[in-house]
Formats: sequence, C-alpha cells, structure tokens
Amino acid sequence: NAGVTQTPKFRILKIGQSMTLQCTQDMNHNYMYWYRQDPGMGLKLIYYSVGAGITDKGEVPNGYNVSRSTTEDFPLRLELAAPSQTSVYFCASRHRGTDTQYFGPGTRLTVL
Amino acid sequence: AQSVTQPDIHITVSEGASLELRCNYSYGATPYLFWYVQSPGQGLQLLLKYFSGDTLVQGIKGFEAEFKRSQSSFNLRKPSVHWSDAAEYFCAVGALGGNKLVFGAGTILRVKS
Repeated sequence: NAGVTQTPKFRILKIGQSMTLQCTQDMNHNYMYWYRQDPGMGLKLIYYSVGAGITDKGEVPNGYNVSRSTTEDFPLRLELAAPSQTSVYFCASRHRGTDTQYFGPGTRLTVL
Repeated sequence: AQSVTQPDIHITVSEGASLELRCNYSYGATPYLFWYVQSPGQGLQLLLKYFSGDTLVQGIKGFEAEFKRSQSSFNLRKPSVHWSDAAEYFCAVGALGGNKLVFGAGTILRVKS
C-alpha cells in the first residue's frame, strides 16, 4: 500500500492562476480531508468528504473547491490563487470504523 | 467551541533527558485525543490516541500520554529523548465518529547533544 499520496510536492503560482492539488489513497477509506498548515497555526480543515459524491465545508473553505467522484481521489481546486493561500496542504483519510486519520506528505504552495 | 492549546511553541531538551509536552483542550463531550508527530518535510504520523479506559496510553517510539479529565489535559511524555525525536508535535481532539479533528498550533522539539 502506498497510503495517501499527494502531487505535486511543491508549486509556485502567480496571483489569479488556478491549479488542482491531487490526493489519492489506496486504503479504501471512506473519509478524506484537506487541511492547510500555516506556521504557528496548526492544521485547519478546508473540506472533507464522507464518501464518493459527498463533500462538506470545514473551517476555512473560502477560495477552494473539491469533488469526490471516486473513493480513491479527492482533488482540491484553487480557482483564483491569492497570496493568502500560500501554505502547506495536507490530505488525509480514514476508515469509517476508526478515528485515526492517515496523512499524505503534503504540498507546499507559494502564491506570488 | 472545541479548541486545543499547546502552550509551548518551542522546547529544547538534552539528549537522554525526559520530555513532557503540554496539551489542554476544551470540548463539550467526551473527547477523543490524539498526538501526531511531524518530521521536517513529512506528513503527520500518529503517535498515540486516547478514546476511553486506562488514562495512561502508550504509543510508538516510546511515547506515552496521560489523560486528566479534571485538568482537561493530555500531556505527552517520554522518559529519555533521542536526537531523532526532534520534530513538531501536534495534539488534536475529536468526537467519536466525528468528521473533524481540531489541532493545536504545535510544539517544536529541539534536541541538543
């Protein structure tokens, strides 16, 4: 099992550009999450999904969109990148029957 | 509202010394508590978790944590720190079957030789 994989590892965007952060898990987990991590702020939940076709907002959803067409994939979309979206983004997943989340290695995004 | 406070932003300990990282939480229901570790450039790895039962829980890498309901605390401890323990540590709280974890701001551990 590869676990939770994220691509790309690093990306620099210009203000107003768009991009999609990819997240894939091969553990057949129902739940998937997107977090952003800013220095001194811990992790903040952006969006989450409890299964294919079902998504919901977390604490900081503005400026982001998600979709969940398959169990394995949970991409995060930035439509109009802003400097405030400079952060490290983590994807995580867990099985319905447990409370332990498994994290990917992260994507470091810089918006200039 | 749920919240997690990790009072120490940075902690430096000598290799071989004991360690305690503090975590205080605010939660309306019975909390599920977690400690995660993040090594530089890596994702978060679960160290240990508390759901119920024995309030002293053992985790990986020789870590343990004690749940104290009266103090709303879930402090992480290790009797003898190794240089490889240098990392950032996050405490988190959630609810049984809940969809969300609330994370603390993290504590950066430095180990000096």
